[in-house]
Amino acid sequence: DTAVSQTPKYLVTQMGNDKSIKCEQNLGHDTMYWYKQDSKKFLKIMFSYNNKELIINETVPNRFSPKSPDKAHLNLHINSLELGDSAVYFCASSQDDGPYEQYFGPGTRLTVT
Amino acid sequence: AQSVTQLDSQVPVFEEAPVELRCNYSSSVSVYLFWYVQYPNQGLQLLLKYLSGSTLVESINGFEAEFNKSQTSFHLRKPSVHISDTAEYFCAVSPAGGTSYGKLTFGQGTILTVHP
Repeated sequence: DTAVSQTPKYLVTQMGNDKSIKCEQNLGHDTMYWYKQDSKKFLKIMFSYNNKELIINETVPNRFSPKSPDKAHLNLHINSLELGDSAVYFCASSQDDGPYEQYFGPGTRLTVT
Repeated sequence: AQSVTQLDSQVPVFEEAPVELRCNYSSSVSVYLFWYVQYPNQGLQLLLKYLSGSTLVESINGFEAEFNKSQTSFHLRKPSVHISDTAEYFCAVSPAGGTSYGKLTFGQGTILTVHP
């Protein structure tokens, strides 16, 4: 059973398009996250949600909008895609009561052409 | 705020040799420390963690890391590496409690390449 799953695994699209990445966790965790891993493999947190409430919102362009329909799902919608959005996006989840070790999904490789 | 510095971007080593991957951190509050491993084309997996207590922590596959508070370090070691240990390793910290809801700060990663 996959603990944290993401779809799609690969996403190739053109500049200006709008796309979504879906994430689901079956661990019963309360908190979910989105990370961006750039071409140099640097990992940076984008958002976190706790029980469907936005907790962490790093300096991410407004074109990125996370949506959490329930605490097991955290989707990432990206409007007006730009070349610089090309990266691997990872979803993760953790228990709410610490120590916050996070379980990561397999990643979605987004390529904007 | 926290920051993490992994001092080596790449570490090549021969099979069965020992290895150390270095990690230093900076924080104004107490932290939890983690090492994550990323195999090619996969997500990150937790390798080991330091929360409290014994400063030496071990993983099930032979890695160990030692928390050194005075030197603000959490270096990862393995006495004898295998080809299958080839991966990228990330050191990370998060605030120990509080309302930061697990904000992990990662280092830049160290690529460990084990040669036969």
